[in-house]
Amino acid sequence: NAGVTQTPKFQVLKTGQSMTLQCAQDMNHEYMSWYRQDPGMGLRLIHYSVGAGITDQGEVPNGYNVSRSTTEDFPLRLLSAAPSQTSVYFCASSSGTSGETQYFGPGTRLLVL
Amino acid sequence: AQSVTQLDSQVPVFEEAPVELRCNYSSSVSVYLFWYVQYPNQGLQLLLKYLSGSTLVKGINGFEAEFNKSQTSFHLRKPSVHISDTAEYFCAVSEPGNTGKLIFGQGTTLQVKP
Repeated sequence: NAGVTQTPKFQVLKTGQSMTLQCAQDMNHEYMSWYRQDPGMGLRLIHYSVGAGITDQGEVPNGYNVSRSTTEDFPLRLLSAAPSQTSVYFCASSSGTSGETQYFGPGTRLLVL
Repeated sequence: AQSVTQLDSQVPVFEEAPVELRCNYSSSVSVYLFWYVQYPNQGLQLLLKYLSGSTLVKGINGFEAEFNKSQTSFHLRKPSVHISDTAEYFCAVSEPGNTGKLIFGQGTTLQVKP
């Protein structure tokens, strides 16, 4: 049982490049989400999904795209990277009811030059 | 709209001393409250959570927190800290319902000194 996995661990991009951050979970969780972590700002919700085929925006969705074709995977796409997207990105999953524990991946550190 | 405020960005403390990390929330409805911990270069893991019932909640590693509805607070405490407790601590809130959406505070860095 690997829990929540994220790839890559670290990535450097140039402004304007696109990339996909991968997230997978093997706990059959319905709810998955993406956060970004910036110093002094805590974790901010980018996008979330309550099940396959269903996604919605969080607090800071601009510049990011998501889709959820399977229960296991929830990739985050940066369409045209900007320096403001330099951050640490965390994926999380839970069973989907609001009192349940969220399980976090180890994070992807992204640097946009 | 919900929001969470962690009142201290950094808390330095000596080993074996008690510590309190403060968290206040605002919400127009009832809430669920959480504390997560992030050790250096790792993801977050749950310390404890309040859903209902007893307002004093015990978590892992000797931490506990008290839900105070009148003061809209959920402060985290430990009577005696260890060097290994050095980490960033996040308070979070969610609304009872059908999603797991969490709103996080800004985080408090606990630095335990020998």
